[in-house]
Amino acid sequence: DQQVKQNSPSLSVQEGRISILNCDYTNSMFDYFLWYKKYPAEGPTFLISISSIKDKNEDGRFTVFLNKSAKHLSLHIVPSQPGDSAVYFCAARGTQGGSEKLVFGKGTKLTVNP
Amino acid sequence: NAGVTQTPKFQVLKTGQSMTLQCAQDMNHEYMSWYRQDPGMGLRLIHYSVGAGITDQGEVPNGYNVSRSTTEDFPLRLLSAAPSQTSVYFCASKPVGQGNIQYFGAGTRLSVL
Repeated sequence: DQQVKQNSPSLSVQEGRISILNCDYTNSMFDYFLWYKKYPAEGPTFLISISSIKDKNEDGRFTVFLNKSAKHLSLHIVPSQPGDSAVYFCAARGTQGGSEKLVFGKGTKLTVNP
Repeated sequence: NAGVTQTPKFQVLKTGQSMTLQCAQDMNHEYMSWYRQDPGMGLRLIHYSVGAGITDQGEVPNGYNVSRSTTEDFPLRLLSAAPSQTSVYFCASKPVGQGNIQYFGAGTRLSVL
C-alpha cells in the first residue's frame, strides 16, 4: 500500500511559468514533509520542507503548501527555469517502532523548456 | 567536507556473487540508511541505523545485511546477489533528533546478471 503518492510521472512547463508538483498521502500520523530534487547520476538533494503544523513554507522561488484535511501537499516553482529540470520526490516522515522513517513517493520528472 | 561517500559508483555482479556496498559520512550523524531506487518505484528503505551497534529493517530488507560498528560507516552486504537486486542504491545520513533532512550519497549503480 503506497502511503505517499505522486500521481503525475512527468510534467512539462515553459520557462518563466509556474510549475506545480502534487503529492498525496494516506497516513495522518506523518508529521513532516520534504521535497527532494534529483538530477541524473546524482543523489537526491533536499529542496524544501514543511511541518504538519504549518500550511505554507516559502524559500525563494519554491513554495510548499500543505492541506492536512485533504492529505495533500504541493510544490510551486515560480518562475520555472531550465535548471529546475529534474525528478522531484515528495517524502513524509513517520514514526514506526519508535524510529523515524521517511517514506518517498515515486517521483515526478519535471522538464522546463527554454 | 565530503558529506556522504558511496563506493563503488558502478558494479556488475553475476548471480550468486557477494559484495559490499560501502557508505561513509564525515558529519558525525547518528542516523544512516540505505535505499534502493527502481524505475517507477521511488526510493524504498532497505535498512537503517540510529547509531553504532544498532540496526533495523526497512521496507525491503530481504537479501541484504548491514552492520554499524562505527558512527562513520554503514556498509550494505549482498550475500548472494540476484537479478532482482539490480538497482541504484543510495546511502543517507542525518543527525538523530535534530532536524529532518537526510543527506544522500551519489549512489551505486548495481547490475546483477
